[in-house]
Amino acid sequence: GDSVTQMEGPVTLSEEAFLTINCTYTATGYPSLFWYVQYPGEGLQLLLKATKADDKGSNKGFEATYRKETTSFHLEKGSVQVSDSAVYFCALRNQGGKLIFGQGTELSVKP
Amino acid sequence: DARVTQTPRHKVTEMGQEVTMRCQPILGHNTVFWYRQTMMQGLELLAYFRNRAPLDDSGMPKDRFSAEMPDATLATLKIQPSEPRDSAVYFCASGLPAASTDTQYFGPGTRLTVL
Repeated sequence: GDSVTQMEGPVTLSEEAFLTINCTYTATGYPSLFWYVQYPGEGLQLLLKATKADDKGSNKGFEATYRKETTSFHLEKGSVQVSDSAVYFCALRNQGGKLIFGQGTELSVKP
Repeated sequence: DARVTQTPRHKVTEMGQEVTMRCQPILGHNTVFWYRQTMMQGLELLAYFRNRAPLDDSGMPKDRFSAEMPDATLATLKIQPSEPRDSAVYFCASGLPAASTDTQYFGPGTRLTVL
């Protein structure tokens, strides 16, 4: 079945460090791919998305590129801030219209 | 700024009691999803509706859970009877399906504790 695998957390970084959170997927066809972010005590918010191969989604300094050849959608940011501390979820939208989420990766950024 | 609202935000109840959670989707959105989030299982899709009709509730324990949309502005998730293993955060999300690019907008969640 369709699935998403993310790197395990927690990830702890110092402010201004480079961030990569790995995400790979298994799916039938060509799903849309998403990154959602969940701040403490809140619901998930869409961070960025990509709908086809080689598309790059970007928002708030975060980027992810849809790589069909490696079935990946890694999240990157060049310089993280304390305010980026949250849980990040990679997801795909399958042919049935459902969002399939990864297990989430907790990011903690220290000053 | 349109948002999905959920009530209550927190609920503590005793085993065996009925629990009802409510969701108001964003006005105009015709697809509503219910998710459950736990540390062990992560995010699980329980059910979803399109134009108020249930499309898929295969993720929901049928014996105790029920989901309905009495009208386009209200979705409910009911647990009867509740059990301690139901303790989780329940999220509602709404969206407008458009090809393969629809985005789901999540509410703040209802944190349920069953003692």
